Amino acid sequence: SQQGEEDPQALSIQEGENATMNCSYKTSINNLQWYRQNSGRGLVHLILIRSNEREKHSGRLRVTLDTSKKSSSLLITASRAADTASYFCATDVTGANSKLTFGKGITLSVRP
Amino acid sequence: DAGITQSPRHKVTETGTPVTLRCHQTENHRYMYWYRQDPGHGLRLIHYSYGVKDTDKGEVSDGYSVSRSKTEDFLLTLESATSSQTSVYFCAISSTGAFPEAFFGQGTRLTVV
Repeated sequence: SQQGEEDPQALSIQEGENATMNCSYKTSINNLQWYRQNSGRGLVHLILIRSNEREKHSGRLRVTLDTSKKSSSLLITASRAADTASYFCATDVTGANSKLTFGKGITLSVRP
Repeated sequence: DAGITQSPRHKVTETGTPVTLRCHQTENHRYMYWYRQDPGHGLRLIHYSYGVKDTDKGEVSDGYSVSRSKTEDFLLTLESATSSQTSVYFCAISSTGAFPEAFFGQGTRLTVV
C-alpha cells in the first residue's frame, strides 16, 4: 500500500468557498509536500512543510502538519475555477535517501 | 520551468519487447525518480536514484530496471513489456538543502499491445 493517503478522494465546491484536503502517512518523514496536477500535465509543487514545523502559508494555501497523528491538511481559501485539478501529498521518508512517495490524489472541482 | 526532458513522449510497443525511457536534466540535481500513474492508483514510485550509479527500488519495481551512469540521465527499462505496464510514466528531479521540492517532466504515455 502507498505511504500517503489523501482524503476525500473527490471534492466539489463553489467558487469562493474554502477547500480542505487531508493526507495521512505511515512512517517517519523529513518533510511533507503538496502538489497539483492539471489534466494531462506533470505535477507542480505547491508547498512544503518540514517535520519540525506545524503550519505554513503561501498565498491562498495553508498547510498543517501533525506528526503525532501522522497527518497533514491543505487548505485553499477563496477557491477559483482555476484551482480545479488533482492534488497529491508526497512524503520524504526519513532515512531513505530522499525517497519521495505520493498518495492517490484528490480531485477538486470548483464550480463557477 | 526546470530543465527536465522525457523521451519519447509517446510510444506504442508490442508485448515482450524491451523498452527504454529516458529522463534528461540540466539542473545538476542529485535525486531522480521514475513514477507511473494509473487511474485509481495515483503516482507510484518505480525506482529512484540518489547519485550516479546509486539507485533503489520503489513500490512497484518488478519488471523494471534503471541505470544512472551520469548525473543528467536516468534511464528506465522495461525488460519485456507487458500490457500491465501500459501507463503514463513521469520522471522527477530534486535537490537537497533548503529547497528539496521535486520538478516533474511532462510524462511519457506508453501503450503495450
